[in-house]
Amino acid sequence: SYELTQPPSVSVSPGQTASIACSGHKLGDKYNSWYQQKPGQSPVLVIYQDDKRPSGIPERFSGSNSGNTATLTISGTQTLDEADYYCQAWDSSTVIFGGGTKLTVL
Amino acid sequence: EVQLVQSGGGLVQPGGSLRLSCAASGFTFSDYSVNWARQAPGKGLEWVSYFSPSTSDIFYADSVKGRFTISRDNAKNSMNLQMNSLRAEDTAVYYCARAPTRDAFDMWGQGTMITVSS
Repeated sequence: SYELTQPPSVSVSPGQTASIACSGHKLGDKYNSWYQQKPGQSPVLVIYQDDKRPSGIPERFSGSNSGNTATLTISGTQTLDEADYYCQAWDSSTVIFGGGTKLTVL
Repeated sequence: EVQLVQSGGGLVQPGGSLRLSCAASGFTFSDYSVNWARQAPGKGLEWVSYFSPSTSDIFYADSVKGRFTISRDNAKNSMNLQMNSLRAEDTAVYYCARAPTRDAFDMWGQGTMITVSS
């Protein structure tokens, strides 16, 4: 079965750039999305179709997807960006989520 | 306000049944595909089911296939998830989410907790 693999945790200092990777076989051939989830809250879509930002999502969030890896990049990371992040893609008739990455801003 | 409002859920014994509802406010559900996903306590997101009103496609995760049924109620502008033969491992917060295009979920419900325990 298809899998998406993310690092369990990423740390970044405020104002720096955070990158979260998501790897899967030929992931670049699929559309990838990213979700942000803060404790006790529902997930929020931050990137869709690899690199598009929904309205209301700050420009510091960007995405890319090529080969076997999709990457979420947060430029000028703020403390309010501390959250869990999940990548997501379709494989045939199944939706796959990555295991999630906890982003710590300190 | 445009939102998804979930109802249902609670505590159920193993082998029991439960129905979750997801009502659309401020938009028409028939214009969107809908997914259900869940999150076990302290764990990541797991997709459960998908429904497309335009293609009538319905998909389920292997973990729930044959036990869960997704359906829509046009009169109530809502989607339902009927869950039968519930197991302890079904314990999770369940979310509904709409998908304007198949590939991404742009709006999520508030989530509802399901606990399967005797």
